Amino acid sequence: SYVLSQSPSVSAAPGQTARITCEGNNIGSQSVHWYQQKPGQAPVLVVYDDSDRPSGIPERFSGSSSGNTATLTITRVEAEDEADYYCQVWDSGINWVFGGGTKVTVL
Amino acid sequence: QVQLQQWGAGLLKPSETLSLTCAVYGGSLSGYFWTWIRQSPGKGLEWVGEISHTGITTCNPSLKSRVTISVDTSKNQFSLRLKSVTAADTAVYFCATYLSRQLGFAPWGQGTPVIVSS
Repeated sequence: SYVLSQSPSVSAAPGQTARITCEGNNIGSQSVHWYQQKPGQAPVLVVYDDSDRPSGIPERFSGSSSGNTATLTITRVEAEDEADYYCQVWDSGINWVFGGGTKVTVL
Repeated sequence: QVQLQQWGAGLLKPSETLSLTCAVYGGSLSGYFWTWIRQSPGKGLEWVGEISHTGITTCNPSLKSRVTISVDTSKNQFSLRLKSVTAADTAVYFCATYLSRQLGFAPWGQGTPVIVSS
């Protein structure tokens, strides 16, 4: 089965940039989605199809994907960005697959 | 804008059947995929399964034999049943929807915590 690997944690000071990576075999050929989840809340889609932002998501959230790595970048990090972030792809089989999640800490 | 509201029994005994329902407000079931995801305590997200607007179901192979997903178009709802639950099925269960695989899951329901304990 397809596996997505995320580093467990990333930290950044307010105003700095946080980069969250998601590694998977040839992930660059797939459509990658990213979700933000705050404690006790449902996940929220922040980037879809590698790099598109849903309506209402701040421009400081951006995504890219190439080769075996997809990246969610949060520029000008704010305290409210502290959350868990998950990547997701549709496996060529019959599965939606999520990464293990990355906890973003704002210092 | 579509909103999802979900409910169901939150405490089950081993071997019982989990039953959750998700109501769709502000839109119809037509044209969308309706999906279930769960999150074990302190863990990440796990896709459970989904049903298309045409009634085709797809499930996580690890759960396939125990999962039933259905839609009730008259009530604008869809449901999840997971039979023969064990403690390993303890999780928060979310419903969600999507239009195509290129667009991601949005929106999500608020989540329903389910505990399986004797």
